[in-house]
Formats: sequence, structure tokens, C-alpha cells
Amino acid sequence: QVQLVESGGGVVQPEGSLRLSCAASGFTLNSYGMQWVRQAPGKGLEWVAFISYDASRKYYADSVKGRFTISRDMSKNTLFLQMNSLRPEDTAMYYCASIADYWGQGALVTVSS
Amino acid sequence: DIQMTQSPSSLSASVGDRVTITCRASQGVSNHLAWFQQKPGKAPKSLIHSASTLQRGVPSTFSGSGSGTVFTLTISSLQPEDVATYYCQHYDSSPFTFGPGTKVDIK
Repeated sequence: QVQLVESGGGVVQPEGSLRLSCAASGFTLNSYGMQWVRQAPGKGLEWVAFISYDASRKYYADSVKGRFTISRDMSKNTLFLQMNSLRPEDTAMYYCASIADYWGQGALVTVSS
Repeated sequence: DIQMTQSPSSLSASVGDRVTITCRASQGVSNHLAWFQQKPGKAPKSLIHSASTLQRGVPSTFSGSGSGTVFTLTISSLQPEDVATYYCQHYDSSPFTFGPGTKVDIK
């Protein structure tokens, strides 16, 4: 059974850092392109970052470029999103998902002083 | 960057009605288009990939079509459990933009 389980969310002060993890089971991360998607309270879905199946390509939304880094650890079959210099507008539910297929349940990130 | 639009932004239909949602891309995305369903308080669920391929386990009342810049998601017979917001997303070239969503409810 395929499962994506996010962790690492929480409350952080502006300019702080947080690392989200997404543990995959039932498939291997090198089989799919993977993405992070966020949803601010009451808003629509916003694409954040992508890593190709072979990790050779990484893309970022302009709103997070230079602050967020997507990566993975194949030994743990886990996807990561390192978030630095966080801003109040980064407050959202963060989902990991394979391209066009599986989704996790989300991790809530709140940026507030 | 490729912009995605959806129409209508919301709709209200009766049980059993045929419902169609349109997604338009500002540039051609081939068939690199997915549709997702999101119910309140829940994570999105994948319905369709490659513009027209139904994900495993998705009812056959859902169908997708289109290529290039215009795509449609059709619910052939609306059911109460279909009340949700529907999003399209292209994955042709970065950034992999989502449409703004279409909220569907029962009249």
C-alpha cells in the first residue's frame, strides 16, 4: 500500500528555519518525480518545488527560490524540504506528492512571532 | 511561465446532472495535465493524469479530455460525495502551476 507521511511542521518565528520530511512506503522515490505543494488557509493549491525521479533536476517556485531546498535520501526513501528565512506568508499546509498521483496528509507550518 | 485558468470558479448542480469543468493553459502543455479533487479539511486526491487517464480506484463517472491548451473534467452523473473543489495542474515545464480551483456543490 502506497503511503506518504509528512512530518516536521510546527510554529516558527519569522526568519527561522524548518525541515519537512516525507517518508514514502509502497514505492521508491526514484520511480517518480516528486513535488511539494502548499495551501495557505482558505486558499488554493500552490506548487512549491520539484525533484525529478533521478534527482538530476530540481525546480522551485519564484516565491521560495533561494530560501527552500528540496532533496531526498534514498536509503530512507524520504523526501525533504529545507525551509530557511521563513516569512509569515509561508504559513500553510505543506503536502508532498508524486507528480499526478500520490499525496501525503500534509504538515502545517505556521510562521509567526 | 504557463498560467492556468479554470471555469467556472464555482457551480451548483443537481444529483445526477452532468458537470463539466474547463481548464485552460496559457501555452501548450501537451497532455501533461492532472486533475485533483479536494474535500474540505482533506488532502487532495488524484483523479486523472496525462489529461485523460483515470487513476486506479476513481469512479468511471469521472473523465478527462483535451490536449495542448484546453482540457475538461466531466462528472457524468453528479453524486453527493462529489462535493469538493477540483484543481487542474500542468507538469510540462517549471513552474508546475495549479489552476485556481472550481468549487462544486449540490443544488
